[in-house]
Amino acid sequence: GESVGLHLPTLSVQEGDNSIINCAYSNSASDYFIWYKQESGKGPQFIIDIRSNMDKRQGQRVTVLLNKTVKHLSLQIAATQPGDSAVYFCSYGDSGYSTLTFGKGTMLLVSP
Amino acid sequence: KAGVTQTPRYLIKTRGQQVTLSCSPISGHRSVSWYQQTPGQGLQFLFEYFSETQRNKGNFPGRFSGRQFSNSRSEMNVSTLELGDSALYLCASSLTGQGYGYTFGSGTRLTVV
Repeated sequence: GESVGLHLPTLSVQEGDNSIINCAYSNSASDYFIWYKQESGKGPQFIIDIRSNMDKRQGQRVTVLLNKTVKHLSLQIAATQPGDSAVYFCSYGDSGYSTLTFGKGTMLLVSP
Repeated sequence: KAGVTQTPRYLIKTRGQQVTLSCSPISGHRSVSWYQQTPGQGLQFLFEYFSETQRNKGNFPGRFSGRQFSNSRSEMNVSTLELGDSALYLCASSLTGQGYGYTFGSGTRLTVV
């Protein structure tokens, strides 16, 4: 089946830097995309989402960019803080169904 | 409001045994979805229940089953456990079952020895 393709890299940044986490997906039928953050010992936590009719959405210190032409999604975190250290997952879904497909995750490490 | 509660948090079982995991959704949420998380495969969809009916099922063998009760609490069962079933099992609840409405629990860590 189709799945969201995401390496499992580790991104190491300094506190205060901007972080960018990327995600490539394969199924163009999806109409919404969600980024989750997962801290050790916890379940995934919603960060931000974007619909397929948008190419950019901003939240508090986070921005999601969607490029449907190349099937690419990114999460930008401004002024990264040590508390942002976690695994980040991209996911996508079709509003006609109730499942999400997840990428394998990126570990973000923020050093003070 | 209370979040999604999964019990137990940790479980150790022997190959061949069966196990039952429980998930209590957020009050008012009628949909419960289950995911398996492993380092190699990431998060994979198991099944989704809405108002006691299974609406979707992922690509897992029949050893994996679930159910939902009238109060929306859900259980999943794995029979004849295999070493490869060791994973973090996550449930997510939502009002309508749409993935963008998910709230995840902290999961049950199952280790099969």
